[in-house]
Amino acid sequence: KNQVEQSPQSLIILEGKNCTLQCNYTVSPFSNLRWYKQDTGRGPVSLTIMTFSENTKSNGRYTATLDADTKQSSLHITASQLSDSASYICVVPSPSTDSWGKFQFGAGTQVVVTP
Amino acid sequence: EPEVTQTPSHQVTQMGQEVILRCVPISNHLYFYWYRQILGQKVEFLVSFYNNEISEKSEIFDDQFSVERPDGSNFTLKIRSTKLEDSAMYFCASSEDSEASSYEQYFGPGTRLTVT
Repeated sequence: KNQVEQSPQSLIILEGKNCTLQCNYTVSPFSNLRWYKQDTGRGPVSLTIMTFSENTKSNGRYTATLDADTKQSSLHITASQLSDSASYICVVPSPSTDSWGKFQFGAGTQVVVTP
Repeated sequence: EPEVTQTPSHQVTQMGQEVILRCVPISNHLYFYWYRQILGQKVEFLVSFYNNEISEKSEIFDDQFSVERPDGSNFTLKIRSTKLEDSAMYFCASSEDSEASSYEQYFGPGTRLTVT
């Protein structure tokens, strides 16, 4: 059972427009939630890391929000650029009995920005 | 800026052969990871490694897989007898601290493994 669900699966937006991606998780206990950007054929690149106490965090035109009560996060892209075309992945570390070493990945939202 | 490097960028091997994928993590990092991504699918966690031992592994990481830090800089993933379904992009990553912290995890560019 996937513990991190992302929506939408994909979206197409016009250059200059804004968009919001969603992530719902069921991982518990919760430590932090990460958003990554993955260009095709490349490794993921970290955008933000949000801990339990953080509600909003920005990285340039990317703004992530977190509601730990409802276990939801969103990633908002402002004034999109063609270079924003990528897959955006939500990741949550999930603990086992004595280790935090495992990660739960969402399937990603594929964003295509068109001129 | 320091980065994680991986070699080779593309490896083609025949089914049943052994492959070793190599990674050089960022020098002051202590936590190391391997992930795989089958074409068109999501990134999947394979294994995490700390203090010269496996910290956690997924169901995918069976007896065919092993990891090693043979020296102070390299971190390797060995697949003992490759299967067709092992064809994927394999990513190495490293971090200063564990996943429970807010330390960033840096990914390498990946090795594309093709098993024929």
